[in-house]
Amino acid sequence: SAVISQKPSRDICQRGTSLTIQCQVDSQVTMMFWYRQQPGQSLTLIATANQGSEATYESGFVIDKFPISRPNLTFSTLTVSNMSPEDSSIYLCSVVGAGMNTGELFFGEGSRLTVL
Amino acid sequence: QKEVEQDPGPLSVPEGAIVSLNCTYSNSAFQYFMWYRQYSRKGPELLMYTYSSGNKEDGRFTAQVDKSSKYISLFIRDSQPSDSATYLCAMSANDYKLSFGAGTTVTVRA
Repeated sequence: SAVISQKPSRDICQRGTSLTIQCQVDSQVTMMFWYRQQPGQSLTLIATANQGSEATYESGFVIDKFPISRPNLTFSTLTVSNMSPEDSSIYLCSVVGAGMNTGELFFGEGSRLTVL
Repeated sequence: QKEVEQDPGPLSVPEGAIVSLNCTYSNSAFQYFMWYRQYSRKGPELLMYTYSSGNKEDGRFTAQVDKSSKYISLFIRDSQPSDSATYLCAMSANDYKLSFGAGTTVTVRA
């Protein structure tokens, strides 16, 4: 499986500010995704990070709030914009490796965000 | 109704017991069925995945899928304290987008 590194691992932010989370993979991957895990809840897909083009967002998530970039096959960023306490969550990068199928989706350690 | 239903537990068992976890789902398009283990303050770790119906065994872990009943299970034999974690079921319709259950927190008592 790919090694997925996320930065920062945790942060405490003030309301109204923005934070960018980075996801770096040690090998080229075909698909990259961003998930959110709110306190006590399961994972929800935010968007698919498309290499060299705009991300594909799921219902309830918009580009202005969660801009995503994927400049190459091994790196992506997620920005949480104009944060409010409701954005306090764990944000997780996930990937599907080259030649792997839907069932082989791997996750990073997550970035734990607390908004005051 | 949620797309994937999973009993949140918590579940507490003595060491050596069999742990039984299950999920039900409503979307008949789901083809891939996964189980993830998540330790506190860690990312989800893929334990097993199954394509379509059937059983799959990997060491002490057995995954079962019954598509006719829209029901999946994970069994952990000879459970160990190190198995204490939250277990998440996840499913996909071959589009790489996963729908997750709420997770079941398991504690194995030494």
